[in-house]
Amino acid sequence: EVQLVESGGGLVQPGESLTLSCAASGFALAPYPMNWVRQAPGKGLEAVSHISHDATTIWYADSVKGRFTISRDDGKNSLYLRMNSLRDEDTGVYYCVRDINWALDIWGQGTMVTVSS
Amino acid sequence: QAALTQPASVSGSPGQSITISCTGTSIGLHKHVSWYQQHPGKAPKVVISEINKRPSGVSNRFSGSRSANTASLTISGLQAEDEADYYCLSYADSPFWVFGGGTKLTVL
Repeated sequence: EVQLVESGGGLVQPGESLTLSCAASGFALAPYPMNWVRQAPGKGLEAVSHISHDATTIWYADSVKGRFTISRDDGKNSLYLRMNSLRDEDTGVYYCVRDINWALDIWGQGTMVTVSS
Repeated sequence: QAALTQPASVSGSPGQSITISCTGTSIGLHKHVSWYQQHPGKAPKVVISEINKRPSGVSNRFSGSRSANTASLTISGLQAEDEADYYCLSYADSPFWVFGGGTKLTVL
């Protein structure tokens, strides 16, 4: 079965750091661009970061630029999101998403990140 | 700032057709426009890609179109299971991706 499984979410205080992981199974990550998309409680979807298949193109939303770092390890079939200097407004469900032909076709189940003092 | 505007809510009765619009400058620049369905507590699911392409397994009751800077998702023969939130997504260069604000579909 083709799937993405996120892990690493949790409760942290403002200013702390967290690293999210996304493990792909049923397919090889290597040929695909990948993304992180988040959703604050009761709110809409927000694209957070994108990495091309060869990591030559990386994009961040203005809201996280300078604080978050996306990376991939195709040997481990995994995607990562390092989140530093976390803020209350970073709270939400974070989805790992595969990108095929400019559509987001495979979504993980999401991992919850809560930033609160 | 690139932005995509969707109606906050739409509704329809079973068997009817509804259309959700998505308006923004990036919509008219390329074909990388897609639509997503999200049921409460679930991950989104793509229902339309490249403006009007239906992924394998998606009901043919879902269709997409575009006119100028507005993309549209039409659901025909509404069913109770179609009740969900719907989001449009466009490649925008800067920002790379932009989502619409989402539309809540209520099946009466």
